Amino acid sequence: ELKVEQNPLFLSMQEGKNYTIYCNYSTTSDRLYWYRQDPGKSLESLFVLLSNGAVKQEGRLMASLDTKARLSTLHITAAVHDLSATYFCAVLIQGAQKLVFGQGTRLTINP
Amino acid sequence: DTEVTQTPKHLVMGMTNKKSLKCEQHMGHRAMYWYKQKAKKPPELMFVYSYEKLSINESVPSRFSPECPNSSLLNLHLHALQPEDSALYLCASSQDPPAAQPGAQHFGDGTRLSIL
Repeated sequence: ELKVEQNPLFLSMQEGKNYTIYCNYSTTSDRLYWYRQDPGKSLESLFVLLSNGAVKQEGRLMASLDTKARLSTLHITAAVHDLSATYFCAVLIQGAQKLVFGQGTRLTINP
Repeated sequence: DTEVTQTPKHLVMGMTNKKSLKCEQHMGHRAMYWYKQKAKKPPELMFVYSYEKLSINESVPSRFSPECPNSSLLNLHLHALQPEDSALYLCASSQDPPAAQPGAQHFGDGTRLSIL
């Protein structure tokens, strides 16, 4: 059974600081997704990572994938309040249609 | 605004009621999904439809009955629900079944369901 674990689950940080959210998964997969969810809202797709060594950047967020280590990271650079949200990674079970989500990281950025 | 539209946004129903949740997408996606999300938890997959056929049922109780009338529409029929079924129900779609296409799933805004 595929398990996806995020670390940390809660993160409170100051504006202007850098931090990284980690996503570990237990079995082979080559498709990893990052989503953002604001309170009471839907999930917004941030990144799709398809291969080992993939790196994608959008604004202050950068995601990477290491399929050998079964690890993805979401790096936040010079955080701003607008990035406060819950961030989920999700991994596709190989050969199946099922997406398995991590527990989510609740990020709070304080002025 | 999301490209996956869900109605209603909120639903309160008694345990003996019958209601339906609706989901619509016009992106030409051929895979559609129902998820259940409890507060402060990740979404949990319930059903997957691929080319209008049910391909995954995650052992969901029969009081939840999905239906895919055509490639753009997905319904979730509810009957005799329990208080623990109160949650946010999310619909999603993707270009093709994810095993074939790498694109992300696009989520609707969800229906917040409360069972009295």
